[in-house]
Amino acid sequence: AQSVAQPEDQVNVAEGNPLTVKCTYSVSGNPYLFWYVQYPNRGLQFLLKYITGDNLVKGSYGFEAEFNKSQTSFHLKKPSALVSDSALYFCAVRARFSGFQKLVFGTGTRLLVSP
Amino acid sequence: DVKVTQSSRYLVKRTGEKVFLECVQDMDHENMFWYRQDPGLGLRLIYFSYDVKMKEKGDIPEGYSVSREKKERFSLILESASTNQTSMYLCASSLFQDSYEQYFGPGTRLTVT
Repeated sequence: AQSVAQPEDQVNVAEGNPLTVKCTYSVSGNPYLFWYVQYPNRGLQFLLKYITGDNLVKGSYGFEAEFNKSQTSFHLKKPSALVSDSALYFCAVRARFSGFQKLVFGTGTRLLVSP
Repeated sequence: DVKVTQSSRYLVKRTGEKVFLECVQDMDHENMFWYRQDPGLGLRLIYFSYDVKMKEKGDIPEGYSVSREKKERFSLILESASTNQTSMYLCASSLFQDSYEQYFGPGTRLTVT
């Protein structure tokens, strides 16, 4: 079955430092991978996706993600964290079941950026 | 911009009550989804709909039903609410079945007492 794992419940980083939020995946075939962010009291917002092509994918708000096939990882990164980046981040993979497409989400990682 | 709205941000219901959660999207999207979000479990798909009057069960459909009478509106129904259905409920939509991006509403935090 298609799945993603986010091994860290929370990541703490100081403002201005680089940040990484980890995600590993398990899929058969080529993976379609996504990152979403949830700010407090808000719904999820799409950040970026990997479908094919360059392993480094750029997305919204200065975030990027690196696809690594050999390590089955899709880590989210940002060179310089902002306090406003504090939020809940979800990795997701597209899966097929019963002839339909769906997104399978990880358990989420809370990012806390301190001033 | 795509807008997905949900009828209530917060809802408190009693055990055994019938509960309706409403979701409306304004971008003529074909697909609509209902998820529940619980700490440590992430998002889990309850039901989705790929067309008017069409629905498919997701991963955790037990205790829920859905209705899609119009393209823009997708309702989640708890026939007899139970305390284990206390959760955050998120609605989402996407343009096509093969669309890569889903657009989410702000969520409804439901408490069943």
